[in-house]
Amino acid sequence: DAKTTQPNSMESNEEEPVHLPCNHSTISGTDYIHWYRQLPSQGPEYVIHGLTSNVNNRMASLAIAEDRKSSTLILHRATLRDAAVYYCILRYSRYSGGGADGLTFGKGTHLIIQP
Amino acid sequence: SAVISQKPSRDICQRGTSLTIQCQVDSQVTMMFWYRQQPGQSLTLIATANQGSEATYESGFVIDKFPISRPNLTFSTLTVSNMSPEDSSIYLCSVEDQSEVQNTEAFFGQGTRLTVV
Repeated sequence: DAKTTQPNSMESNEEEPVHLPCNHSTISGTDYIHWYRQLPSQGPEYVIHGLTSNVNNRMASLAIAEDRKSSTLILHRATLRDAAVYYCILRYSRYSGGGADGLTFGKGTHLIIQP
Repeated sequence: SAVISQKPSRDICQRGTSLTIQCQVDSQVTMMFWYRQQPGQSLTLIATANQGSEATYESGFVIDKFPISRPNLTFSTLTVSNMSPEDSSIYLCSVEDQSEVQNTEAFFGQGTRLTVV
């Protein structure tokens, strides 16, 4: 599986934007970029995913580099509730004939939000 | 979306015993997975629970230690057998409905926090 690299931890202030980077230099053309987060004492929750174009949803934005070797998860206005471990995960497309494998979690980025 | 109920939410067990964890989903889903999260670590996939057939295990996990059942599209169990303190972890159930062709999101239960003494 293609690997991702994320900073171990990041710190931000409440109500400020947060940019969480992820490097995935060995990404293949059929890999989707997924982001999940895990709040304390909870199971992971889906945040966003994309293939080539930037994506926006109610939780966050995903900016994907033109060469797809890196991406950035953007929280536009962080709140204390956004303090969590954020995981960047590559997942191949079902179009490529891949099966329905589970997710391969790396160590993620521990996001700390200061009030 | 899918709502997942995992039982028990936590348990303290004696070494050498077994614990069965249940995962109930509020809708039919194509895929069910079991993960382990050891203290302070990230999640590791144990196996894919296949309906009506044997589960597909990841490297390092075997059926004798982690037998899995999936009798229908909304329910699965994971048993942690002959437990030792090294099995103390959080065990999580995850589901996906991959009836759509594009990548979909996974939903996770709250987890079962297991302590073996």
